[in-house]
Amino acid sequence: GAGVSQSPRYKVAKRGQDVALRCDPISGHVSLFWYQQALGQGPEFLTYFQNEAQLDKSGLPSDRFFAERPEGSVSTLKIQRTQQEDSAVYLCASSLNPGLAGNTIYFGEGSWLTVV
Amino acid sequence: SQQGEEDPQALSIQEGENATMNCSYKTSINNLQWYRQNSGRGLVHLILIRSNEREKHSGRLRVTLDTSKKSSSLLITASRAADTASYFCATVRRGNNNDMRFGAGTRLTVKP
Repeated sequence: GAGVSQSPRYKVAKRGQDVALRCDPISGHVSLFWYQQALGQGPEFLTYFQNEAQLDKSGLPSDRFFAERPEGSVSTLKIQRTQQEDSAVYLCASSLNPGLAGNTIYFGEGSWLTVV
Repeated sequence: SQQGEEDPQALSIQEGENATMNCSYKTSINNLQWYRQNSGRGLVHLILIRSNEREKHSGRLRVTLDTSKKSSSLLITASRAADTASYFCATVRRGNNNDMRFGAGTRLTVKP
């Protein structure tokens, strides 16, 4: 597709359930980012991939969060044993070149996770 | 933790008026970017200003950057109802090319 595609768009999970959120970046984009956005807040950085390498995972809030991009294109963000505080929009973004300096990054529409 | 802080948190104006939003940040930056987010949607990149630039224009948008004060402003001229959205500044920290931090945003409402 022409843009960054995320699925599912909406997910309701019971507390304790595992969830997997998928991101299809723009074809050929080297960089892929995951952000978490709580209601009424700005996005918070979670993790960054350059191709298949996860170069920065400093923003992952706990070891229940895991991200992968095994073939350097599609990425999955997995949240294990979901808690209510995990409820947020999870945004994926990609950019053509490595890093952010001078590069425009393109965001997907987000996956809205509600943990009940 | 978030890097930038937008001011005001919410702004309501009449169509045709100008809207000014401010952003302050804390660390040395490589560049600063402004994004727009319509309710329930993803973020759309508006404009990027590098640390060695002071002002940049794009259509009805004007961005200024004052690195000595660690602040930036976004001006939308001749606002339209369709400009209603949340606006975020984001900074890319110097020395860390992967780290872009967002503020909490300004919620702009333009009344027709």
